[in-house]
Amino acid sequence: DIQMTQSPASLSASLGETVTIECRASEDIYNGLAWYQQKPGKSPQLLIYNANSLHTGVPSRFSGSGSGTQYSLKINSLQSEDVASYFCQQYYNYPDTFGAGTKLELK
Amino acid sequence: EIQLQESGPGLVKPSQSLSLTCSVTGYTITSGYDWSWIRKFPGNKMEWMGYISYSGSTNYNPSLKSRISITRDTSKNQFFLQLNSVTTEDTATYYCARVLRRVPGVMDAWGQGASVTVSS
Repeated sequence: DIQMTQSPASLSASLGETVTIECRASEDIYNGLAWYQQKPGKSPQLLIYNANSLHTGVPSRFSGSGSGTQYSLKINSLQSEDVASYFCQQYYNYPDTFGAGTKLELK
Repeated sequence: EIQLQESGPGLVKPSQSLSLTCSVTGYTITSGYDWSWIRKFPGNKMEWMGYISYSGSTNYNPSLKSRISITRDTSKNQFFLQLNSVTTEDTATYYCARVLRRVPGVMDAWGQGASVTVSS
């Protein structure tokens, strides 16, 4: 199985700041990567797929980039409603595997 | 708007079977998406368990292949997870989700999750 290493495990940032979360795959996943947001007590929400495609209805302050084995999620101008956990998923290779998640808090 | 809701026992004894239901509203499960089960362990590790397609075919994570079964009841617009011979390591929050067919693997709608504890 492809291993997904996500960093950092937790992150504290101020309102308006830009935040970056990274996922590294154990082998090339050819942009087969999605990012999800999960708020406490809520279901996960799809943010990004195919590494850089913004899902319908997701604010444009979220963006994804990367290629090969290295991918990142960037949140521009952090808002209070962005406080959540974020996790990546590779779906290029069977079976799908996930990063361990990043907990984003406000400073 | 699509909604998914997991339901089932919150406590299962070791060696028994875990059975969960995912009830889907706002979309018919035979209409063209696949339907997955995913679980999140204490400590936040997540595992994709398997899916049932809109046509009824299934695909499972090889790590679970001997213990898992995903079925459906199209008349009730529900799909089901059965995991046999559970151990304490199957303690997790179980999610059902809809999988985009145009981007296989990507899940665009999730349930709230059902917490299941395996304990005697």
